[in-house]
Amino acid sequence: SQTIHQWPATLVQPVGSPLSLECTVEGTSNPNLYWYRQAAGRGLQLLFYSIGIDQISSEVPQNLSASRPQDRQFILSSKKLLLSDSGFYLCVGQLGEAFFGQGTRLTVV
Amino acid sequence: SQQGEEDPQALSIQEGENATMNCSYKTSINNLQWYRQNSGRGLVHLILIRSNEREKHSGRLRVTLDTSKKSSSLLITASRAADTASYFCATGGFGNEKLTFGTGTRLTIIP
Repeated sequence: SQTIHQWPATLVQPVGSPLSLECTVEGTSNPNLYWYRQAAGRGLQLLFYSIGIDQISSEVPQNLSASRPQDRQFILSSKKLLLSDSGFYLCVGQLGEAFFGQGTRLTVV
Repeated sequence: SQQGEEDPQALSIQEGENATMNCSYKTSINNLQWYRQNSGRGLVHLILIRSNEREKHSGRLRVTLDTSKKSSSLLITASRAADTASYFCATGGFGNEKLTFGTGTRLTIIP
């Protein structure tokens, strides 16, 4: 079955530092991949959507970027983190049904 | 943008009571799903209802779908403390349909 490995589970980073969150897919090929962010007590906001290698759609203007250098690898990055980047980041795959990573809780201090 | 709007945003009920959450969406759909999220962690798929279905049951869960009103409801009967979580509706997520979540309902079950 398809799975997503997302790491780390928690991360504390200082303001202005870079960010790289990675998720990798196992058990399937060519899934659609998503990055969502959830602020504390809020809903899931779609950040990026990818239908294939190097094909990324950005849903909202922000301080973050995404890349998909390989079919099963989806990376969320920032050159300089802001306090407002704190939140829960979730990687989701979709091929038929959706399947989820366990998320990364990012705290920017 | 969010496809679904859920209400209430937060709900607190006594253990044993029934909890009802509602979701409204904007565009035509092929299916609608409900998910649970415990303590800001990953999501757990609860139930999927297709656009040609009006009601679906799974254990203590009952989901209804009204495509004419573009709305769905999730009913949890005989609630338990372990049901405390956030609940999200979502549309899409199959084929090339983008998966889009609602705003969520935070459910608290009071023992």
